Amino acid sequence: LAKTTQPISMDSYEGQEVNITCSHNNIATNDYITWYQQFPSQGPRFIIQGYKTKVTNEVASLFIPADRKSSTLSLPRVSLSDTAVYYCLVGAWNRDDKIIFGKGTRLHILP
Amino acid sequence: GAVVSQHPSWVICKSGTSVKIECRSLDFQATTMFWYRQFPKQSLMLMATSNEGSKATYEQGVEKDKFLINHASLTLSTLTVTSAHPEDSSFYICSGVSGTNEKLFFGSGTQLSVL
Repeated sequence: LAKTTQPISMDSYEGQEVNITCSHNNIATNDYITWYQQFPSQGPRFIIQGYKTKVTNEVASLFIPADRKSSTLSLPRVSLSDTAVYYCLVGAWNRDDKIIFGKGTRLHILP
Repeated sequence: GAVVSQHPSWVICKSGTSVKIECRSLDFQATTMFWYRQFPKQSLMLMATSNEGSKATYEQGVEKDKFLINHASLTLSTLTVTSAHPEDSSFYICSGVSGTNEKLFFGSGTQLSVL
């Protein structure tokens, strides 16, 4: 399973766009990139998943360069409720694959 | 998205007792389930991986006789903390995946407090 590296913490202001980058230099050909959001005392919540290029859904965009060694989660116009820990996971999740979490990025949105 | 139901959401027990945590996949068949524990302000730590119908694979340092995992069906996995002690107090989270390259969905977590 590819190891991931993210910034430990980030601060931003309401209404701003926030970009969180994740490095995964040893990503394998079959690996997907998935981002999760976690609030205190809750399980992680799926945000977005992608394999290459750009993926967009109603809450976020995910940018993946051609070499796939990194990815960027983009949150448009954040609000106070986006204050949470964000995790980047990389893997193919077959029966022999473990899902190992990195330290995540603690995002703090200021008014 | 898919729903993973985890119960109870919190439990307080006396030292020496056993506690069972249930994790159900409500609208998909979870061929693989993962169990994590999380301490305050730390990341999730993988405890074990279980494939339906097989014995769980435990991570190094996790006592398999203390943390009993059963994954007897494609929709239910249980974690039993046997002879719980205060150091077992933690937030336990389950997750399930339906197959390769599928999304991983998490339960809401169980806060265990051992007195």
